[in-house]
Amino acid sequence: LAKTTQPISMDSYEGQEVNITCSHNNIATNDYITWYQQFPSQGPRFIIQGYKTKVTNEVASLFIPADRKSSTLSLPRVSLSDTAVYYCLVGAFSGGYNKLIFGAGTRLAVHP
Amino acid sequence: GAVVSQHPSWVICKSGTSVKIECRSLDFQATTMFWYRQFPKQSLMLMATSNEGSKATYEQGVEKDKFLINHASLTLSTLTVTSAHPEDSSFYICSAAGQGWSEQYFGPGTRLTVT
Repeated sequence: LAKTTQPISMDSYEGQEVNITCSHNNIATNDYITWYQQFPSQGPRFIIQGYKTKVTNEVASLFIPADRKSSTLSLPRVSLSDTAVYYCLVGAFSGGYNKLIFGAGTRLAVHP
Repeated sequence: GAVVSQHPSWVICKSGTSVKIECRSLDFQATTMFWYRQFPKQSLMLMATSNEGSKATYEQGVEKDKFLINHASLTLSTLTVTSAHPEDSSFYICSAAGQGWSEQYFGPGTRLTVT
């Protein structure tokens, strides 16, 4: 399984756009890139998933360059409630399921 | 998104006793369920993967005789911590995926404290 590297922590202010970049140099052909958000004492929440190029949903965008060795989660206009840990995961969907190995994640602190 | 529940949300037990944690998929059939544990300020660690009707596959270093996993139906998986000790105190989280899904949906977690 490909290893991921993210910044340990980031700080931002309300209303700003936040971009969290994850590197996954050893990503395999079958791997998807998935981002989760976790608040203290809660289970992770699925944010977005992509394979290549750009994916956008109602809460975030995911940018994946052509070589797929990195990805960037973009959170538009963050609020205090976006303070959480964000995990970038790379997993292969094989054998009927997608096994996820969590890295350290990025602790995002949004300030007033 | 798909909803996954866990019960109980927290439990305190005495050392040497066993504790069962339930994980349910409420609005979909979960062909695969996963169990994780998380210590304070640390990331999630995958313990095991279970497919409905099959034996669970445990990650390296996880004692399968201590952490019993049963996935008897498409909506329910259970994790039993046998002969619990204080070092088993942790946050246990399950996740579930439907057939052909590439994403997993997580439960709210169960806080286990062993005294």
